Amino acid sequence: ETGVTQTPRHLVMGMTNKKSLKCEQHLGHNAMYWYKQSAKKPLELMFVYSLEERVENNSVPSRFSPECPNSSHLFLHLHTLQPEDSALYLCASSQVFGERGGMSEAFFGQGTRLTVV
Amino acid sequence: QQQVKQSPQSLIVQKGGISIINCAYENTAFDYFPWYQQFPGKGPALLIAIRPDVSEKKEGRFTISFNKSAKQFSLHIMDSQPGDSATYFCAASHNYGQNFVFGPGTRLSVLP
Repeated sequence: ETGVTQTPRHLVMGMTNKKSLKCEQHLGHNAMYWYKQSAKKPLELMFVYSLEERVENNSVPSRFSPECPNSSHLFLHLHTLQPEDSALYLCASSQVFGERGGMSEAFFGQGTRLTVV
Repeated sequence: QQQVKQSPQSLIVQKGGISIINCAYENTAFDYFPWYQQFPGKGPALLIAIRPDVSEKKEGRFTISFNKSAKQFSLHIMDSQPGDSATYFCAASHNYGQNFVFGPGTRLSVLP
């Protein structure tokens, strides 16, 4: 497999369920990201794991919990979601060079279409 | 200062026409400006990118024009085709950054 792979592609869950989204990158990158894409809204950065640091958007509710066990795998754990959390969740990876070296372009997965009922 | 503004929100172009999408930024520390193309049901994919040391970059029918003094950059799609119909996002990052800032997107429709 190549690139960035996300599973599942589609997920329907109730507000009381607990589920996890999975992302795997085969590009050898050292940074991984979760983005939320809602209709008619900009791509919203949720979490970044880069250079062994985690950076998060403070506006993301605690019902979203990321996990990055290694540089190739990223999870987004979901619990007690709300209907307004229905969106396309995109995972991406890039190479961060550090020490003001910038970063490469981001490579995105196909996304998980999440519907909360 | 972290925002990237993008216009228009939507664009309709006839086949063979030129599609132009504009972006503007405030943060002068930004030094890498990629454009992404996203088809329905797919993740965004890198289309073309530019750094501010050049004013223009061309790849096939796609050209980025960059105006550093105005802090603006634009995507031009020449000879637009129905297959170009997609949502286009501009983005920016800086040399000490670990993530991209994305524009809100432009939905392009190319009529046959």
